[in-house]
Amino acid sequence: SYELTQPLSMSVSPGQTASITCSGHNLGHKYVCWYQQKPGQSPVLVMFQDNRRPSGIPVRFSGSNSGNTATLTISETQAMDEADYYCQAWGSNTVVFGGGTSLTVL
Amino acid sequence: EVQLVDSGGGVVQPGGSLRLSCSVSGLTFDDYAIHWVRQAPGKGLEWVSLITGDGYNTYYADSVKGRFTISRDNSNSTLNLQMNSLRTEDTALYFCVKDISAAGTGGYGMDVWGQGTTVTV
Repeated sequence: SYELTQPLSMSVSPGQTASITCSGHNLGHKYVCWYQQKPGQSPVLVMFQDNRRPSGIPVRFSGSNSGNTATLTISETQAMDEADYYCQAWGSNTVVFGGGTSLTVL
Repeated sequence: EVQLVDSGGGVVQPGGSLRLSCSVSGLTFDDYAIHWVRQAPGKGLEWVSLITGDGYNTYYADSVKGRFTISRDNSNSTLNLQMNSLRTEDTALYFCVKDISAAGTGGYGMDVWGQGTTVTV
């Protein structure tokens, strides 16, 4: 079965850039989405089809996908960006989520 | 405004059954595929099942195949998940989620999430 791998956690200072990676075999040949989930809340789609931002998502969020790695980049990170982030792709007739990355802004 | 309202969760013994429902409003229901996604306490997101907008195609995670059945009533804009032979590992918060597309395949994205309903086995 297809698998997506994310770092368990990462930290970034306010105002700096956070790059969250998601790895999978030939991932660049698939569309990747990213979700942000804050404690006690439902997830929110922050990036779809690799690099498209839904309406309402700040422009400091961007995405890329090539080779075996997709990346969600958050520029000028703010305290409100502290959350869990999940990548997602379509595998072998199934939806696949990465294990999630806990982003700390400190 | 598009809204998905999940319901039907509860406490059930192992081996028991439960039926989750999702009421959808604010869109043309059969234009979109709908998923169920679950999250065990303190864990990550796990995809459970998908039904296409026309209801003709369904997909399941291996962990629930043969035990769960997804269905939709396009006349009432509702989605259901019949869960049988429940196991302790099915304990989770279950989300009903709208896909961006009618097919749901291809990883286009899930753009509207319900608030979730809790299942405890």
